[in-house]
Amino acid sequence: EAGVAQSPRYKIIEKRQSVAFWCNPISGHATLYWYQQILGQGPKLLIQFQNNGVVDDSQLPKDRFSAERLKGVDSTLKIQPAKLEDSAVYLCASSLRGRENTEAFFGQGTRLTVV
Amino acid sequence: SQQGEEDPQALSIQEGENATMNCSYKTSINNLQWYRQNSGRGLVHLILIRSNEREKHSGRLRVTLDTSKKSSSLLITASRAADTASYFCATDSYYGNNRLAFGKGNQVVVIP
Repeated sequence: EAGVAQSPRYKIIEKRQSVAFWCNPISGHATLYWYQQILGQGPKLLIQFQNNGVVDDSQLPKDRFSAERLKGVDSTLKIQPAKLEDSAVYLCASSLRGRENTEAFFGQGTRLTVV
Repeated sequence: SQQGEEDPQALSIQEGENATMNCSYKTSINNLQWYRQNSGRGLVHLILIRSNEREKHSGRLRVTLDTSKKSSSLLITASRAADTASYFCATDSYYGNNRLAFGKGNQVVVIP
């Protein structure tokens, strides 16, 4: 079974530029998550989709971050404009979804450096 | 705010010893999960324990859950150098839109 695919693996941009990350979840997984992980910290949930609907985006900085999930499959996360504090690893994960969250499968992440 | 707060101290042990780490959370949960993250890699699911379970085993892993104290522990028995990683707990709460929220993590170093 193919895992969660993310691209790019690494990205370096200057502050105030924009950047986009892409995620392809495991086939058949209804739930898709985007997390931000700053070095030395735990993953922080940015947004959680159930199919193509948003379950939770309470911690997404909506003035600069946006995310969409096309046709309930692939997803993109965008930052515009980027700030220095956005430097982090952005992790995408997916899971089957019943009445509760089950095992989440993670991609390798995109390491973003804002200079 | 983040659900799941592990004890913040790093753990350094000798190979063959047991490693125990704890996690506390704030609101009622459906389940609690433990994940491992090797340096520079994605997270890997280890074990899930439901709110109506008190203990669960998987290989060398033993997880306990005390819903009255809102806490969980992960025990790794007979540790190996390959167990060196960060360990995170994550809670699925039916409050807060059923989001899967992670704690801060616990760094474990197993010395060969």
